[in-house]
Parts: sequence; C-alpha cells; structure tokens
Amino acid sequence: AQSVTQPDIHITVSEGASLELRCNYSYGATPYLFWYVQSPGQGLQLLLKYFSGDTLVQGIKGFEAEFKRSQSSFNLRKPSVHWSDAAEYFCAVGGYNQGGKLIFGQGTELSVKP
Amino acid sequence: ETGVTQTPRHLVMGMTNKKSLKCEQHLGHNAMYWYKQSAKKPLELMFVYNFKEQTENNSVPSRFSPECPNSSHLFLHLHTLQPEDSALYLCASSQERGTDTQYFGPGTRLTVL
Repeated sequence: AQSVTQPDIHITVSEGASLELRCNYSYGATPYLFWYVQSPGQGLQLLLKYFSGDTLVQGIKGFEAEFKRSQSSFNLRKPSVHWSDAAEYFCAVGGYNQGGKLIFGQGTELSVKP
Repeated sequence: ETGVTQTPRHLVMGMTNKKSLKCEQHLGHNAMYWYKQSAKKPLELMFVYNFKEQTENNSVPSRFSPECPNSSHLFLHLHTLQPEDSALYLCASSQERGTDTQYFGPGTRLTVL
C-alpha cells in the first residue's frame, strides 16, 4: 500500500542553523513527490515538487529536496533557517495510478529558536 | 481574487444545523478536491471532481454532500454533523485529475457543538 512517513513529529532548530526534514515513502510505481508548508490557520502552500529529471529540486523560500530512489526518500533541506520558517511541513506522494490522490504524511512541526 | 478561496473561514454549527462550505478557484483548473484535516492526523481526501464529475468518494458519510456546478466552484453541504466532524476543511484544485500539482485554499475551520 502507498504511504508516506515523516518520522519527526516536531523539530526545533536555532535561527541560522541548517535544517533537514525527513520523508520516506512507499509507492509501487514512479512517484511524484511534493513538499507543502502550512502556517497556523492557513492552507497548504507548495514548496517544491519532483516529477522526473534532476533528483535535486529547488523550491521557494530557499528550500531544496533530494529524491533518492534507492532509499525511498525525499528529504527537505534549507541551509539557514529563518524565524519565519516556523510552520508545519507536509510531504506527499502521488502518481498516475493514484487517480489524482495525494497521500500525505502526518507532518513535521518546525519551531525556530532565536 | 487569485488562487483558491474558501468561505466562510470559520463556522460553528449545532448538530441539527444545515450549512454549506464554498470553494472557488481562479486558476482555470478542471479538477477540485475536498480534504479534511483533523488534529494529529494526516490530511484525508474526501472527494474529487474532474470536469464537474465526481470521480472519487473516499467512503465519506452521507452527512457530507458535495456539489460541483462548474469547474470553478465546489460546495460541501453539511447536515446533522457530529462533534468528531470538527476539523479544518481544505479545498484544492489542479489542472486535471492525476499527477498535476494541487493548489490549496486557506480552509474553513468547522466546529460542531
């Protein structure tokens, strides 16, 4: 069955420090992978997506993610975190045989220390 | 207006009330989605519409009734809800059903008393 696991429910980092949020997926075909961010009381905003091609994907707000097929992972990274990055981050997987469904992970809540 | 809008942003209703949530997308997309986001749970897909036709009903109770009169508008009609239906209801749209990126609205925070 298709699934997405975000192992870290909550992460705290200091402002200016680097960040890596983990995402592992289980999917039977070529996955299409997404990272979304949700600020309190808001909807989900797309950070980046991977459909094919270069496995290192650049997104908005200085985020990037790397698709590693051998590890079934799509980890999100940022070299230097800003206080405004505090939010909840969701990894999602979809594909042609999903019929439009995105399967979301449970989310990782990011707190940023001054 | 741009993107995906949802109204109302907040709604409090009793279990015997009937209310509706509205979603409108200004992106020229053909597919629209309803999701439920409960605390500490992953987003749950409820319904998918593609070119105004419902293509997915993810075993949603009949007290939730979707309506898609055209590709730009999506409604979720609510009646005789339960307190456990309290959640954030998110609408999304994509160019077509499938692998296209989904763009989300801000959500409606629903509280059922």
